Amino acid sequence: DAGITQSPRHKVTETGTPVTLRCHQTENHRYMYWYRQDPGHGLRLIHYSYGVKDTDKGEVSDGYSVSRSKTEDFLLTLESATSSQTSVYFCAISKLAGGDEQYFGPGTRLTVT
Amino acid sequence: KNQVEQSPQSLIILEGKNCTLQCNYTVSPFSNLRWYKQDTGRGPVSLTIMTFSENTKSNGRYTATLDADTKQSSLHITASQLSDSASYICVVSGVGDSSYKLIFGSGTRLLVRP
Repeated sequence: DAGITQSPRHKVTETGTPVTLRCHQTENHRYMYWYRQDPGHGLRLIHYSYGVKDTDKGEVSDGYSVSRSKTEDFLLTLESATSSQTSVYFCAISKLAGGDEQYFGPGTRLTVT
Repeated sequence: KNQVEQSPQSLIILEGKNCTLQCNYTVSPFSNLRWYKQDTGRGPVSLTIMTFSENTKSNGRYTATLDADTKQSSLHITASQLSDSASYICVVSGVGDSSYKLIFGSGTRLLVRP
């Protein structure tokens, strides 16, 4: 998984609780991305980062926030989890902009009850 | 609207047989097209990347073709193996402001049976 780890790998939480997912890379790549994957849908971009403290929204950013204080870490926070956020979350990295090869982490399966 | 459609949704073949997966897209302007393999419980792994000027690209038993005029791509798997059982995802990258945002197909789930 190209030097990318995600934690936790599995999480079950209750509606209304805050949740933070972590992505850590050892490749020193500039760009980092958070996607969600749901049955019947392709992966959809939540947020991405193009450098430390530089982030932007993707197509499904409502209800999510991100932070990147170090090159190697990209955090995804669900401020108040809802059942619609039950999904598998993937982090990805790339050396150059979005047209470049993206390498994906192993994923985090989140269940909101 | 930028879209990527894949067919079939699922496919079962016998070990040793060949198969072809299809991808149609409406993303414009277009930068490149990728095929990923995703094993169950794992993240996607890149198989091929093609720019608009490339017609075909191979990676071992995987061969991808691209027709930029008709906006179609295919992934051909030769002499399938049990380890080919996975989802195969077609991804199209746009140009310019959209280049940060890849458009993903929903995948074809392939099962190779002994």
